[in-house]
Amino acid sequence: QVQLVESGGGVVQPGRSLRLSCAASGFTFRFRAMHWVRQAPGKGLEWVAVISYDGSNKYYADSVKGRFTISRDDSKNTLYLQMNSLRAEDTAVYYCVKEADSGWPTLGDWGQGTLLTVSS
Amino acid sequence: QTVVTQEPSFSVSPGGTVTLTCGLSSGSVSTNYYPSWYQQTPGQAPRTLMHSTNTRSSGVPNRFSGSILGNKAALTITGAQADDESNYYCVLYMGSGIWVFGGGTKLTVL
Repeated sequence: QVQLVESGGGVVQPGRSLRLSCAASGFTFRFRAMHWVRQAPGKGLEWVAVISYDGSNKYYADSVKGRFTISRDDSKNTLYLQMNSLRAEDTAVYYCVKEADSGWPTLGDWGQGTLLTVSS
Repeated sequence: QTVVTQEPSFSVSPGGTVTLTCGLSSGSVSTNYYPSWYQQTPGQAPRTLMHSTNTRSSGVPNRFSGSILGNKAALTITGAQADDESNYYCVLYMGSGIWVFGGGTKLTVL
């Protein structure tokens, strides 16, 4: 079955950088677009970024554009989110989400999330 | 800035039917927005119920159904059960690689 395991969260000071990872298994990773979605404490879901199945297309929410970079390593079945110039408002649980089997533009299976706290 | 709208809260009786909606602050939702629905209980990751308007995800009971009603996407729960009490989120694909979530609906079953 599909498994998505996020890691890399923690506490980081404003202005610093951090990289999240998502280890994928149970499906052919290189065939699927992948998303990051976040949820601030007590708030709703916010779509963050997507990378196409072949890595050729990457799109970002305005709130993170220019600061975050999504990437993938198909040899490791791993999705990444490089986060720079972090702000307090980036504090959230970050979920890795696999495209549904019917393809673009869907969201399917979710990981359990990793918590990022941006605080001095 | 387009806003995706959802009812903040809704209540349904056990065994009853409820329809949650997902709209746009400006314009109408159509199948071209590939509306999708997610269920989340506190402390848990979201679970995909429905995508592409009315395609049920694997394992989702058929008492959950998706549609377009008027100018909104809709999620209908028929025969509501106690464990349907959750937060429900919709997301719309805006094109050009951008998705926008609604603010979510807190569903109470009582």
